[in-house]
Amino acid sequence: GAVVSQHPSRVICKSGTSVKIECRSLDFQATTMFWYRQFPKQSLMLMATSNEGSKATYEQGVEKDKFLINHASLTLSTLTVTSAHPEDSSFYICSASRGWDQPQHFGDGTRLSIL
Amino acid sequence: AQTVTQSQPEMSVQEAETVTLSCTYDTSESDYYLFWYKQPPSRQMILVIRQEAYKQQNATENRFSVNFQKAAKSFSLKISDSQLGDAAMYFCAYRSSSWNYGGSQGNLIFGKGTKLSVKP
Repeated sequence: GAVVSQHPSRVICKSGTSVKIECRSLDFQATTMFWYRQFPKQSLMLMATSNEGSKATYEQGVEKDKFLINHASLTLSTLTVTSAHPEDSSFYICSASRGWDQPQHFGDGTRLSIL
Repeated sequence: AQTVTQSQPEMSVQEAETVTLSCTYDTSESDYYLFWYKQPPSRQMILVIRQEAYKQQNATENRFSVNFQKAAKSFSLKISDSQLGDAAMYFCAYRSSSWNYGGSQGNLIFGKGTKLSVKP
């Protein structure tokens, strides 16, 4: 068990568009979900941590109004990149865990390309 | 703040041989978790092996084993009998086991990664 589905896997859109990425835990309840960003040939950088039913905790330097995170249920968290610009182009990966101190299970990632 | 360092941007190994990937970390905590993740070209992060800091015994998982040196803050990954499918980016990661008041809980701190190539 512990399967995490992330959708879509690839998005190409025009500058100014808002893009929503979904992260679902398919066979377990995820109290905590994490959103990471990965630039080419770089490591994963944590953007924010979301707990079901509460506001997300954003890392320093991550714009809350730019990257909206909603964790409305124990199986779904969404990341919305609002008014995306070319500099937002990146690989976004989510992970989910049963609790903050439990193992993280990763989704397949979303490649976002803003033209 | 904790940091994770992987000093080898790239490594290469011959098929069926053994290779060791290095990782060092810095922390003031006494209890934590260490991980090795594999990221193949498909980009999915796959957990390879995990080590609890309070355990002295090195974790093993089939062909994968670690050399955990807590005093030296070193956590190397050994891959035995390397296979073509082992080619990937390997990330070392740290996770605190303590509650972080006012900050993120349970998040992973990753090193910059080591790209492993396997030659047939």
